[in-house]
Amino acid sequence: AQSVTQLGSHVSVSEGALVLLRCNYSSSVPPYLFWYVQYPNQGLQLLLKYTSAATLVKGINGFEAEFKKSETSFHLTKPSAHMSDAAEYFCAVIPNTGGFKTIFGAGTRLFVKA
Amino acid sequence: DTEVTQTPKHLVMGMTNKKSLKCEQHMGHRAMYWYKQKAKKPPELMFVYSYEKLSINESVPSRFSPECPNSSLLNLHLHALQPEDSALYLCASSQVRGTVREAFFGQGTRLTVV
Repeated sequence: AQSVTQLGSHVSVSEGALVLLRCNYSSSVPPYLFWYVQYPNQGLQLLLKYTSAATLVKGINGFEAEFKKSETSFHLTKPSAHMSDAAEYFCAVIPNTGGFKTIFGAGTRLFVKA
Repeated sequence: DTEVTQTPKHLVMGMTNKKSLKCEQHMGHRAMYWYKQKAKKPPELMFVYSYEKLSINESVPSRFSPECPNSSLLNLHLHALQPEDSALYLCASSQVRGTVREAFFGQGTRLTVV
């Protein structure tokens, strides 16, 4: 069965430093991949998505992610962290055969230090 | 309009009460979802409606009763809940056609069962 692994339940960076949140998927056939952000007591907001077009995907708020088939990875990066980036980040997949079930990773809490 | 609106934002109910959560979207999406999210966990799928018909029920207890009265509205009727049902309940919607069923989430209802 399809699964998603996010390495690191907590990541802490200093303001202005590089943000790197890791995500690996399990299937041999690349699925559709997503990154969502969730601020406290809020819903999930889509940051970016990969749907088999360009492997480097740019999203909102300065985030981007690179799809690497050889590594079955879809890591999220941002060159310079802002205090407002502190939130929970979820990597998610939908199998490329479709379906209604989005499979979420366990989430990574990002802390940004002043 | 790219919003999914959920009401109420907060709800406290007793174990003998009956209450309803409401969700509305005007994006023309024909799939609507209910998710349950416990603290520090990813969302868990509960129900999916496709073209106003129940498509997926993830073995949810009968004290949760979904309803989709039309293509824009989704309700979740609650009765005889338990304290462990306290959670953030998220509504989402997506297109049905195609395989990339990217979900758009509402802000959630924070439910506390006392």
